Amino acid sequence: AQTVTQSQPEMSVQEAETVTLSCTYDTSESDYYLFWYKQPPSRQMILVIRQEAYKQQNATENRFSVNFQKAAKSFSLKISDSQLGDAAMYFCAYRRLNNAGNMLTFGGGTRLMVKP
Amino acid sequence: EAGVAQSPRYKIIEKRQSVAFWCNPISGHATLYWYQQILGQGPKLLIQFQNNGVVDDSQLPKDRFSAERLKGVDSTLKIQPAKLEDSAVYLCASRRRGGPGDTQYFGPGTRLTVL
Repeated sequence: AQTVTQSQPEMSVQEAETVTLSCTYDTSESDYYLFWYKQPPSRQMILVIRQEAYKQQNATENRFSVNFQKAAKSFSLKISDSQLGDAAMYFCAYRRLNNAGNMLTFGGGTRLMVKP
Repeated sequence: EAGVAQSPRYKIIEKRQSVAFWCNPISGHATLYWYQQILGQGPKLLIQFQNNGVVDDSQLPKDRFSAERLKGVDSTLKIQPAKLEDSAVYLCASRRRGGPGDTQYFGPGTRLTVL
């Protein structure tokens, strides 16, 4: 079974600074998707960024980028120029490529605090 | 495009009582998911529907939980009878059936407190 581990329960960053959230996963599959979701206090899960395992290039979305290390099974999220609105829970998630159900396996989450 | 709707947003019940949650997915989305998110943890899939058929309910506690998606649109999740450990946020998500990269969109969730 696939597992996703986020080893940082909480992280703190100063506004405008850069922070990196860590995620590792365990799978025997060679093709899969990885995601970072943001969950603010409103509880709505919002997709931040997605990475296809067969792509070597790291995904980027504006201030958000990932460092995908397939051999190490590591998938970290870097947030540049942190803003107060970035404060939330961040969840790393995994999905098999050939999963007709599209089921997501989530990590335990990292709470990000942004200091003004 | 309207998002995934869920109601109620909050529910407080006594243990052994029954409760039901409702979800309306994004229009045209064939796949619907119910996740349970216990405080301090990531969401865990309970059940997945494709149109009105169940695709995966392997982690649904079937002795007390039930779900249906009549007509392949709205869905209800029921707990009967509730236990203290059912206190959690119940998230509904939907996905348009298409390519493997299709995104799941989540609703705001229902926070259940069992006393």
